Amino acid sequence: AQTVTQSQPEMSVQEAETVTLSCTYDTSESDYYLFWYKQPPSRQMILVIRQEAYKQQNATENRFSVNFQKAAKSFSLKISDSQLGDAAMYFCALYNFNKFYFGSGTKLNVKP
Amino acid sequence: NAGVMQNPRHLVRRRGQEARLRCSPMKGHSHVYWYRQLPEEGLKFMVYLQKENIIDESGMPKERFSAEFPKEGPSILRIQQVVRGDSAAYFCASSPGGGSYNEQFFGPGTRLTVL
Repeated sequence: AQTVTQSQPEMSVQEAETVTLSCTYDTSESDYYLFWYKQPPSRQMILVIRQEAYKQQNATENRFSVNFQKAAKSFSLKISDSQLGDAAMYFCALYNFNKFYFGSGTKLNVKP
Repeated sequence: NAGVMQNPRHLVRRRGQEARLRCSPMKGHSHVYWYRQLPEEGLKFMVYLQKENIIDESGMPKERFSAEFPKEGPSILRIQQVVRGDSAAYFCASSPGGGSYNEQFFGPGTRLTVL
């Protein structure tokens, strides 16, 4: 069974500061991918960042980076220089066998 | 290149009615996936289809739900005799292929409200 756990239902960060969202997962597969998606109030799912499990190097996309700890099955998202537009629900997801397994989400608030 | 299209964006049904949700994949994509998002939860996989074939329906409820992706036209997710618990956002995603990894592009979702 594949499971994804996000233990922080809600977090807040001051504009321009850095915040880290946590995610742990469980899978017995060796070939999988990990993702962070952003869901603003419009509900559109927006891909933030992707990590291939076979790559040791942590993925980075501009202000977004991940800390991928494969042995610990941990996949956290760091957002640097937070902006008001970053406020949204963030979902961690595991991809395997043609389907996504999503966590329950973390609501990120950004304070001006 | 237009993205994944879903319609309607909002659908209101009374208990016992039928709901039909449509998904037009991105141009060139022949694989479609349906996910359901209940309030305060993440998306949950329902079904994976290719043209005229259901590949994986392990997430579909056993009764009242069905999906198709005909040779021509959009993919349809059909919910018969809706109940209040069916109220959710239903997302469609498409990809150019299956296998190890093919990026899935998500549509904007259909929000179903059952009165």
